Amino acid sequence: DAGVIQSPRHEVTEMGQEVTLRCKPISGHDYLFWYRQTMMRGLELLIYFNNNVPIDDSGMPEDRFSAKMPNASFSTLKIQPSEPRDSAVYFCASSLVKYGGQETQYFGPGTRLLVL
Amino acid sequence: AQSVSQHNHHVILSEAASLELGCNYSYGGTVNLFWYVQYPGQHLQLLLKYFSGDPLVKGIKGFEAEFIKSKFSFNLRKPSVQWSDTAEYFCAVNGGTGRRALTFGSGTRLQVQP
Repeated sequence: DAGVIQSPRHEVTEMGQEVTLRCKPISGHDYLFWYRQTMMRGLELLIYFNNNVPIDDSGMPEDRFSAKMPNASFSTLKIQPSEPRDSAVYFCASSLVKYGGQETQYFGPGTRLLVL
Repeated sequence: AQSVSQHNHHVILSEAASLELGCNYSYGGTVNLFWYVQYPGQHLQLLLKYFSGDPLVKGIKGFEAEFIKSKFSFNLRKPSVQWSDTAEYFCAVNGGTGRRALTFGSGTRLQVQP
């Protein structure tokens, strides 16, 4: 399996522009997560999906952030308009929950976003 | 709410030294526990995990961790570190049958000197 695939790997944009991050989870996984990593706040959850349905978006900073999962093999995280404080590494992860709640999340390579 | 504490923020060791990184969590229910490693400029990779059973779990690259329920701890150990172990290490937890999202510790940066 190719693992979790994210694109782009690097994104540099100017404040006010729209940014779209993409993720392809591991085939067969039923959970998809978006995390953000910054120096100040470490690794934190933004949102996660189960069978393409958003379950917990409590980590989404504000209305400028939105995430979708139109099918089991694709998800997007959109920031509109972007701000310099959005600069971070955004990770996508996926997992398959087994009986008893056991699961392992596998992470993609991340998208390093810089908003100027 | 869940929380994870990693007490060592930056650890510097010489090659062949033994390693122990502390991790404590707060959560009242059944938990899954994980250690992830992040090499410079790379993504998170799973080192090891604990779901149930034997509290001493072995992972890749000679790492192991011990779950001590009474102490809410899941410390990571390696008897002899190598220069290639230089990386950042994250402890993480999620509820076994509840919230799926991982709660991460702040990470420990390990620097191994040759």
